[in-house]
Amino acid sequence: AQSVTQLDSHVSVSEGTPVLLRCNYSSSYSPSLFWYVQHPNKGLQLLLKYTSAATLVKGINGFEAEFKKSETSFHLTKPSAHMSDAAEYFCVGYRDDKIIFGKGTRLHILP
Amino acid sequence: DARVTQTPRHKVTEMGQEVTMRCQPILGHNTVFWYRQTMMQGLELLAYFRNRAPLDDSGMPKDRFSAEMPDATLATLKIQPSEPRDSAVYFCASGTGTGDQPQHFGDGTRLSIL
Repeated sequence: AQSVTQLDSHVSVSEGTPVLLRCNYSSSYSPSLFWYVQHPNKGLQLLLKYTSAATLVKGINGFEAEFKKSETSFHLTKPSAHMSDAAEYFCVGYRDDKIIFGKGTRLHILP
Repeated sequence: DARVTQTPRHKVTEMGQEVTMRCQPILGHNTVFWYRQTMMQGLELLAYFRNRAPLDDSGMPKDRFSAEMPDATLATLKIQPSEPRDSAVYFCASGTGTGDQPQHFGDGTRLSIL
């Protein structure tokens, strides 16, 4: 069965330090993968998308993600956290008309 | 900027009442999604449409929920009769092509069933 697993429900980092949000997917072949961000009282916003053209994907607001087939991972990173990055982040997979959401990771930024 | 518009933004009603939520997708988008978000269950895909035809509604309770697209500019999600456990934020999203394209989300309808 296909699944998308976000390994941490909460992550706390200090402002100015790197961010790592982890996502693993389970599939016998590479799916399309996305990261979305949700700020309070808002809908989700696309950060970036992977569709096999390049393994390192750059997104908005300084975020990027690397697709690693050998590890079935698609972790989201940012070199330096900003207070405005505090939000919930969702890893999403798509394959054969099935959309699969991870359960989300809430990112806390400490001053 | 083109946006997905959802109405109403907030709805409070009593158990047993019919609730209709509306969504105007971005012009030109042919795929529409409905989601429900609660603290307990997180984000759940209820249904999605491509070219106004339902493609996957396996996440939607069929006995009380129905989703339709009367035309390309309007999607509706109805609950009849509503129950307190339906209290949630309901999101609509639209996109192009299939689910491997980015989705554009509305800001949601916050529904409270008393």
